[in-house]
Amino acid sequence: AQSVSQHNHHVILSEAASLELGCNYSYGGTVNLFWYVQYPGQHLQLLLKYFSGDPLVKGIKGFEAEFIKSKFSFNLRKPSVQWSDTAEYFCAVRMDSSYKLIFGSGTRLLVRP
Amino acid sequence: DSGVTQTPKHLITATGQRVTLRCSPRSGDLSVYWYQQSLDQGLQFLIQYYNGEERAKGNILERFSAQQFPDLHSELNLSSLELGDSALYFCASSGRGPSEQYFGPGTRLTVT
Repeated sequence: AQSVSQHNHHVILSEAASLELGCNYSYGGTVNLFWYVQYPGQHLQLLLKYFSGDPLVKGIKGFEAEFIKSKFSFNLRKPSVQWSDTAEYFCAVRMDSSYKLIFGSGTRLLVRP
Repeated sequence: DSGVTQTPKHLITATGQRVTLRCSPRSGDLSVYWYQQSLDQGLQFLIQYYNGEERAKGNILERFSAQQFPDLHSELNLSSLELGDSALYFCASSGRGPSEQYFGPGTRLTVT
């Protein structure tokens, strides 16, 4: 079955630490990839997306992600986190011509000041 | 602000009841999606409408139904509510083609 895995459920970092959140999907066809962020009490906001082209994509707030097709991965990175990055991060995948998004289980990030 | 609006923000109701959640997509978006977010199931796709027609169905219970009206707003109807239906219900919209989805603020449903 098609699925999206986020292996880190909870991550705790200190400010200025580097961040990498893993995302893997199980599907061999064409995919579009997304990272969304959900700040406490708020709705999902799009951080970045990959459709085609350069596998290294840059998003808002200093986030970037790299699509590695051979590893079925789309990991999210940020060189230096801030307290305001405390939120839940969701990886989402759209597979082939389907319009629905399949979400990972989310990673809760806590950044300590 | 994504431009997607949802009402109401909070809804508290009893088991066995029926509720209607409303969503207005971003201006110009023809597709509306409904998702359910719960602690045990995570974010699950329920259903998609495109310009008034049902386009895709996900893990939507038979007790749930949706529609999209000519003005493109959508309603999600949940009936015979059970305690397990307590969740956040998000609506998202997107434009033509496989573009990104923009999410509304959600409706928090509590079934008591």
